Amino acid sequence: AQSVTQLGSHVSVSEGALVLLRCNYSSSVPPYLFWYVQYPNQGLQLLLKYTSAATLVKGINGFEAEFKKSETSFHLTKPSAHMSDAAEYFCAVSSRGFQKLVFGTGTRLLVSP
Amino acid sequence: GAGVSQSPSNKVTEKGKDVELRCDPISGHTALYWYRQSLGQGLEFLIYFQGNSAPDKSGLPSDRFSAERTGGSVSTLTIQRTQQEDSAVYLCASSLGDRGRSGYTFGSGTRLTVV
Repeated sequence: AQSVTQLGSHVSVSEGALVLLRCNYSSSVPPYLFWYVQYPNQGLQLLLKYTSAATLVKGINGFEAEFKKSETSFHLTKPSAHMSDAAEYFCAVSSRGFQKLVFGTGTRLLVSP
Repeated sequence: GAGVSQSPSNKVTEKGKDVELRCDPISGHTALYWYRQSLGQGLEFLIYFQGNSAPDKSGLPSDRFSAERTGGSVSTLTIQRTQQEDSAVYLCASSLGDRGRSGYTFGSGTRLTVV
């Protein structure tokens, strides 16, 4: 079975500060990992994905994530937060034999001036 | 099409009525997924199609929920005898069926309100 745990339902940062959103996964086989962003009243937009190539993955809007197998983690980071980054972020996993995406419960990022 | 299209974008229905939600996936995407997003519940998997078959319908909450896909393209999610707890945003996604290696693309969702 696969699962994803996102630590912190809400994360608050100041504009210009480092963004760190945590994601840990559980999978019995090598996973594919994803981060999605959802702005209010919109659908999900793919930020980045890990599919067993480079462990450091760069995505859109300056976000990146590092796959760490030993820690079963795939944390999302951005060096400097912008007001427009305020949204809900979802980590998700898919694994061999399991076609569907399994999502974490989401982390709402709040950015203050 | 260029993206995943869902209709209607909003639906208000009376308790006990049936509703149909439509998803038009990206052309050539063999896999199609339905998810439900409720307040405070996160994203809940409902059903997955590969072509016209549904190998995994484990997430359908009750026998009031059903889905079909025809021509390997359009899918319809039907909820019979709607209840207030069915109120949620229903999201559809499609992919090439390679576990997401090439990406899952989501539609904007249908917001269902049962009154």
